[in-house]
Order: sequence, then C-alpha cells, then structure tokens
Amino acid sequence: EVQLVESGGGLVKPGGSLRLSCAASGFTFSSYSMNWVRQAPGKGLEWVSSISSSSSYIYYADSVKGRFTISRDNAKNSLYLQMNSLRAEDTAVYYCASVGAAAGHDYWGQGTLVTVSS
Amino acid sequence: QSALTQPASVSGSPGQSITISCTGTSSDVGGYNYVSWYQQHPGKAPKLMIYEVSNRPSGVSNRFSGSKSGNTASLTISGLQAEDEADYYCSSYTSSSTPWVFGGGTKLTVL
Repeated sequence: EVQLVESGGGLVKPGGSLRLSCAASGFTFSSYSMNWVRQAPGKGLEWVSSISSSSSYIYYADSVKGRFTISRDNAKNSLYLQMNSLRAEDTAVYYCASVGAAAGHDYWGQGTLVTVSS
Repeated sequence: QSALTQPASVSGSPGQSITISCTGTSSDVGGYNYVSWYQQHPGKAPKLMIYEVSNRPSGVSNRFSGSKSGNTASLTISGLQAEDEADYYCSSYTSSSTPWVFGGGTKLTVL
C-alpha cells in the first residue's frame, strides 16, 4: 500500500522556521519526482516546490523562492521542506505529493498544518 | 505563473451530468497532454480522478471522464451521485519556470 506521511507542522511565529518531512512507503520513491503543495484555509491548491528523482532539478513558486528549500534522501525514502522567514500567508496545510507522475501514480499524503501567527 | 481558470461553482441533480472547465494557455493546458483532475472532500487530501487529460486511475468510476480542446480541459461527471459533492481541481504541466500549475477549484453541489 502506498503511503506518504507528512510531519513537522505546527504553530510558529512570523519570521520563524520549520522543517517538514514526508516519509514514503509502498512504491519506489527514488524513481519519482516529488512535490510540496499547500492549501491555505478555505482556499485552493497551490504548488510550492518540486524536486526530481535524483535532486538534479529543483523548482520553487515565486511566493516561496529564497525562503524555502526542498530536499530528499532516497536512502531514507524521505522528502523535506525547510521553511525559513515564515509569514502569515504561509499558513496552510502542506501536502507531499507525486504530482503528475506517469501512469497515474499520483500519490498524496494526508497533509500537515503549518500556522504562522504571533 | 497564473492559476488555471475554473468556474467557482457548478451544481446538478442526482442522475444528471455536469461539466467543469479548466482554461489555461498554450504554455500549459494547450501545449501538453498532462492535465489532471482531483476530487477533494472537506478535510481530506486530494484524490486523483483523471490523469493525462482523459485517463482514469484504477478504482475511479467510469462516470468520470476528461477531455481537452485547445487551451481548455474539461471534466464530465455523468449520473451524478450525492457522494460526488466535493471540490474539484485541475492541474497541468507548464513550460514556465515552474513545472505545475493548479486551477482555482470548483465546488460541485449535488442538489
């Protein structure tokens, strides 16, 4: 059974930092590009960042560029998102997902809530 | 990268068919056959319903179908059922500086 389990969310003050993790199982994680997608309360989905299977290609949304860093450890089947200089507008549920993977292997975690508030 | 354009809401009665549109540009929807559709119930993670414009993942009802014409993709749900009431999002690969873009979402109400 495919599982993506996010962790690391919580309450943080503006300007603070947080590191999200996503543990993958049930599929060959090292073969998939992975993404972070977020959803602010009551809002739609927003793509945040992507990393290729070997970490050779990394992309960020303009809204997080320079503040967030995506990384992965294929030996540990894990994806990470280091979030610095957090702002109130970063408050959202953050999903780990294999968006757009071939043959419909588009897997999503259950999400982890990040709240940025003083 | 601007979000793909979806209607904010659609509605239909049980048994009817509805169609949700997703409009982009030649740099995303119109340029690639990498359009996906997701269903999201309140408090749940998105679930893939259609991938690569018109393909259904295993386990998804054949009442769900996808198509594309030019820069607009569409999701059609036939034989509406109460459990279809949810938010629906489209996504597309894009040749811009970021690989993926989502639509703003459409709330489907089953009357």
